[in-house]
Amino acid sequence: NSKVIQTPRYLVKGQGQKAKMRCIPEKGHPVVFWYQQNKNNEFKFLINFQNQEVLQQIDMTEKRFSAECPSNSPCSLEIQSSEAGDSALYLCASSPLGGTSAETLYFGSGTRLTVL
Amino acid sequence: GDSVTQTEGQVTVSESKSLIINCTYSTTSIAYPNLFWYVRYPGEGLQLLLKVITAGQKGSSRGFEATYNKETTSFHLQKASVQESDSAVYYCALGDPGNTRKLIFGLGTTLQVQP
Repeated sequence: NSKVIQTPRYLVKGQGQKAKMRCIPEKGHPVVFWYQQNKNNEFKFLINFQNQEVLQQIDMTEKRFSAECPSNSPCSLEIQSSEAGDSALYLCASSPLGGTSAETLYFGSGTRLTVL
Repeated sequence: GDSVTQTEGQVTVSESKSLIINCTYSTTSIAYPNLFWYVRYPGEGLQLLLKVITAGQKGSSRGFEATYNKETTSFHLQKASVQESDSAVYYCALGDPGNTRKLIFGLGTTLQVQP
């Protein structure tokens, strides 16, 4: 079983409010991914890190979304001003090697965000 | 861009019967992609079921099999005899072996095994 820990399990915010979720990757995994899974089951890659550095991110995350993976602290994903369209399941995953896309991702159970 | 298509949103099979869940992919990369099946059991997180990174090879796990077919660009998931405990959501995914590390997922197929 995966040991990626995501908190909180559920998050409810009003429009315009900040929403912050956290992820502790599996021990020893240097690469962390954030995905958004919407109500239509579509996965959208948001950002990934290797150690504390951003590897890739989509344009959306450069504006209202921010993420970090500080050393010795949980990784976090924060939405500065939540919108109804941000309602989704946010998945964190970690990877042991970080070298290629052939590697297995280990997922947490997700944070389900509802924006009222 | 790259994409993964799972044609069935939901499949219902009786216990001990055979199963096939279809997956086809499309990629703009000149390299052959890495292919995966992930599964989400009720109340649990997404986990890897099997993966194949070489075209023409077959992967297997927990009685499930999938063969990487580069001619038909398919990676169908099969099991000869399903059990009630196989009820879950199955996701096919593609990884570009090029310069990106992210996975492209299909929309998932919900398998309901009836006793």
